[in-house]
Amino acid sequence: GQQVMQIPQYQHVQEGEDFTTYCNSSTTLSNIQWYKQRPGGHPVFLIQLVKSGEVKKQKRLTFQFGEAKKNSSLHITATQTTDVGTYFCAGLSGGSNYKLTFGKGTLLTVNP
Amino acid sequence: DADVTQTPRNRITKTGKRIMLECSQTKGHDRMYWYRQDPGLGLRLIYYSFDVKDINKGEISDGYSVSRQAQAKFSLSLESAIPNQTALYFCATSETGTQPGNEQFFGPGTRLTVL
Repeated sequence: GQQVMQIPQYQHVQEGEDFTTYCNSSTTLSNIQWYKQRPGGHPVFLIQLVKSGEVKKQKRLTFQFGEAKKNSSLHITATQTTDVGTYFCAGLSGGSNYKLTFGKGTLLTVNP
Repeated sequence: DADVTQTPRNRITKTGKRIMLECSQTKGHDRMYWYRQDPGLGLRLIYYSFDVKDINKGEISDGYSVSRQAQAKFSLSLESAIPNQTALYFCATSETGTQPGNEQFFGPGTRLTVL
């Protein structure tokens, strides 16, 4: 079945440093979504990427979808303590059932 | 995301007991999902339903069953709970749209402990 790998599993940074998490799929994806889960909270949708090579920005967050639609990344510039949480990618590989496969997530901690 | 609610929020039960987790939504979405989350394992899909008459197994459905009582309600049952079903359970919903893979909206989660 489809597998979505995400690295690193953990990342600790000093406030102001940049952060990147990477996502790789074993199959070509129809689209990829990113979610953030704050400690003790539930996953919250951040963005969806659909097109090959697509790049989207949300303030300090930059999301990329690879040309082959098998990998994606989330980059945070100048991290803040409010960025703390687990970031998940979730891939959709098409077909008739449209169900997401989540990566295991990257836990980001930020030292103020 | 108060539009998706889960009850109970916390539950401690014993091995062999039957337990039901309930999910309700006021978003008017047709699609509903049950996931479990374990530390370091991310979110794994248990069951999903694309409308009231449609129920599908996810990647880890063994030991679980579901019921879609109405568009707004999707229940997850553990017929005979076992300790390795101790986890955080999330319900989620999404629209049925022209584009596949619409945003999923998650409930607050149910923390289940099986002793």
